[in-house]
Amino acid sequence: ETGVTQTPRHLVMGMTNKKSLKCEQHLGHNAMYWYKQSAKKPLELMFVYNFKEQTENNSVPSRFSPECPNSSHLFLHLHTLQPEDSALYLCASSQGGGLAGGTDTQYFGPGTRLTVL
Amino acid sequence: SQQGEEDPQALSIQEGENATMNCSYKTSINNLQWYRQNSGRGLVHLILIRSNEREKHSGRLRVTLDTSKKSSSLLITASRAADTASYFCASGGSNYKLTFGKGTLLTVNP
Repeated sequence: ETGVTQTPRHLVMGMTNKKSLKCEQHLGHNAMYWYKQSAKKPLELMFVYNFKEQTENNSVPSRFSPECPNSSHLFLHLHTLQPEDSALYLCASSQGGGLAGGTDTQYFGPGTRLTVL
Repeated sequence: SQQGEEDPQALSIQEGENATMNCSYKTSINNLQWYRQNSGRGLVHLILIRSNEREKHSGRLRVTLDTSKKSSSLLITASRAADTASYFCASGGSNYKLTFGKGTLLTVNP
């Protein structure tokens, strides 16, 4: 257990569906992240939140919409996805907050395996 | 551009042998971290080495860092079947974000 939970663990959706992924961290961290992991590709950073403010959107299509209502919760709202969006979506948290020296260790959730039909 | 390239992409060894994985990165860093991922699961932090350190140990893990070559290596000694996983290096810059490499898939055969 890393202190980061993700639900659901598996999700199958059609291209016209709307669904949401949820992430919760119990570590008192200030930064939260969404990553996409596709087969045979590097881990892709999608969004970064620090103190509930989005600090990075890594050119992610608008069909992915993040939401961070507080420092402990992070959502990824999905709408009209494409089959190529099928992947493992990982949430992570870290101390963040502009930590001096940038020695942040990230703690990952188990991921949501998303399949888009 | 891709930072953090692990080498080799895949490594298969016998239990008891040592496993060495290498990582290269492109820009200056404050630290370099190694993570492990079991199939289809989240990543787990293994070890962090700061840019002013050259070598660090943690149990059966040994990490080296050569900032002049922008490279790092992870050595797992006396490997076990349970070490079978993907291993990723991640470079940390002046902020709190990390850039991950593509990973090395390590298979330890019993």
